[in-house]
Amino acid sequence: QKEVEQNSGPLSVPEGAIASLNCTYSDRGSQSFFWYRQYSGKSPELIMSIYSNGDKEDGRFTAQLNKASQYVSLLIRDSQPSDSATYLCAVPPNQAGTALIFGKGTTLSVSS
Amino acid sequence: DTEVTQTPKHLVMGMTNKKSLKCEQHMGHRAMYWYKQKAKKPPELMFVYSYEKLSINESVPSRFSPECPNSSLLNLHLHALQPEDSALYLCASSHQQGPYNEQFFGPGTRLTVL
Repeated sequence: QKEVEQNSGPLSVPEGAIASLNCTYSDRGSQSFFWYRQYSGKSPELIMSIYSNGDKEDGRFTAQLNKASQYVSLLIRDSQPSDSATYLCAVPPNQAGTALIFGKGTTLSVSS
Repeated sequence: DTEVTQTPKHLVMGMTNKKSLKCEQHMGHRAMYWYKQKAKKPPELMFVYSYEKLSINESVPSRFSPECPNSSLLNLHLHALQPEDSALYLCASSHQQGPYNEQFFGPGTRLTVL
């Protein structure tokens, strides 16, 4: 059974702090990794994708991938109240995989 | 433009009704997906269409019937649903099938079955 694990939270951080969201996956064959943000009552929005080991930065967001440890993380710098949402880690299970396997999501709350 | 549209936004139906959900994208994507999401759960894949052909059916009950009339449109026909089918139904699309293709979601249809 292919699995994607996330700490469900809630993760609470003050405004301006760094929020760190973590995800582990079970399938060593996985090649691509996605982070989605989902506001309450809305649909998931793709915010980051990462395919290679290391860091990928996009504005206030940094995705980090370590395939040896089967670990992917999302850092949000200068957190804002508008970042309060559920963050879903999604992993296609293998090289031929199409279906996204989602973690259960981490709920982030940023207090002003 | 990474927009996927879905209609209707909300749908309330009885267990004997027949209704359809519609999804449209104009990004030239050749893979389209239906997901179901229950409250406080992640999305679950239902169907995948690739080049207008059904590629994956995740053992979904026959009361859900997908259709892909052309490369831009995806429908989900609903018949004799149960109250437990109430959920947010999400359509997504990607350039092609495969792990490196980012999937973009539409806003969803909130379905309530009475």
